[in-house]
Amino acid sequence: SQQGEEDPQALSIQEGENATMNCSYKTSINNLQWYRQNSGRGLVHLILIRSNEREKHSGRLRVTLDTSKKSSSLLITASRAADTASYFCATGNNNAGNMLTFGGGTRLMVKP
Amino acid sequence: EAGVAQSPRYKIIEKRQSVAFWCNPISGHATLYWYQQILGQGPKLLIQFQNNGVVDDSQLPKDRFSAERLKGVDSTLKIQPAKLEDSAVYLCASSNWGQGNTGELFFGEGSRLTVL
Repeated sequence: SQQGEEDPQALSIQEGENATMNCSYKTSINNLQWYRQNSGRGLVHLILIRSNEREKHSGRLRVTLDTSKKSSSLLITASRAADTASYFCATGNNNAGNMLTFGGGTRLMVKP
Repeated sequence: EAGVAQSPRYKIIEKRQSVAFWCNPISGHATLYWYQQILGQGPKLLIQFQNNGVVDDSQLPKDRFSAERLKGVDSTLKIQPAKLEDSAVYLCASSNWGQGNTGELFFGEGSRLTVL
């Protein structure tokens, strides 16, 4: 079963616009991670936010975490065509040896 | 540093045949994962190893899937016999969590299986 559920499932925007993806989960977590996957490739880690953190930045990425609502969001600012990919959230449970459970992903298309 | 290596990249077999996938994790990474990713879906954990011991294999269909990690380094995932619904990309990932690091996963490029 998948712990995280992303919303929306697909998103199409113009280059330069911001893209926001949301993730909801069901059980308690130690951390939440976001990954990117280009078509036909493996996943690449983007950012990790711990359960005691509320916001984190990395370059054009901004992640928020609300543990009371069991939700997270990933914001990509000033999007580029090269950001076109699928984005997945994954919830981490350190009590299970860093077991990561992935959601279904958001497919982002950035039009030039 | 070298990334996670997987082979083969592509495999086409007929149902009821067997197939094996190989993974070499990043050197020094104690944790190794096998995920199954069906087209259009997120990765689903099949099995997680810590060194050569199994941490979780609750979603591994044990009647047909098996995995081993001898000597706590390389790992193989085998499917025998394959079914049509096994068509997917099999992703291997490794992590150095528990060694003072945050626990991000490093993925290989995956092995794409088509069962006819």
